[in-house]
Amino acid sequence: KNQVEQSPQSLIILEGKNCTLQCNYTVSPFSNLRWYKQDTGRGPVSLTIMTFSENTKSNGRYTATLDADTKQSSLHITASQLSDSASYICVVDSSGSARQLTFGSGTQLTVLP
Amino acid sequence: NAGVTQTPKFQVLKTGQSMTLQCAQDMNHEYMSWYRQDPGMGLRLIHYSVGAGITDQGEVPNGYNVSRSTTEDFPLRLLSAAPSQTSVYFCASSYGPSGGLLDTQYFGPGTRLTVL
Repeated sequence: KNQVEQSPQSLIILEGKNCTLQCNYTVSPFSNLRWYKQDTGRGPVSLTIMTFSENTKSNGRYTATLDADTKQSSLHITASQLSDSASYICVVDSSGSARQLTFGSGTQLTVLP
Repeated sequence: NAGVTQTPKFQVLKTGQSMTLQCAQDMNHEYMSWYRQDPGMGLRLIHYSVGAGITDQGEVPNGYNVSRSTTEDFPLRLLSAAPSQTSVYFCASSYGPSGGLLDTQYFGPGTRLTVL
């Protein structure tokens, strides 16, 4: 069964610090991996999309990495801001169909002043 | 563009009642999906549509019906609400199949449903 596991479940950091969120997946075949940010009470918003051949993708202070061999991805947040407080969700797509998206349960990040 | 809109934002039902969750998008997207999000779990696909008149089941379709009479609208019907359907429901749309590089899914703000 396809699975996406994220760690840690929750993380608290101080404003201005960096952090790294992890995503391990057992999804086959693999099409692409996405990271979403979900603010409390809102729908998820896409941050990055990476295919098998890409190992790094940046979006401002967010940098996602992908190791397709070990089936691991990470999301690095640089110089965190209070507005980064949210749940970060890793999603793996196995075949390009809406039925084949596997969602992780998310990492809840809290940035404190 | 309003993007993806959902109504209502909150709803409380009694067991056995029926209701329809509304979803609309103004981006001319062909692909639309309904998900439910429960604490500690990833989003799970309920139903999806690849265009007007075409729908299919997702991972957890039981107890839900959908129809797609127009490109813009994709309502989700709860036939006879049960406490197990207490959840947050998200509608999403995309230009093409969710695997395409450019096919980012756009999510609505969600409907928080409680079934007593």
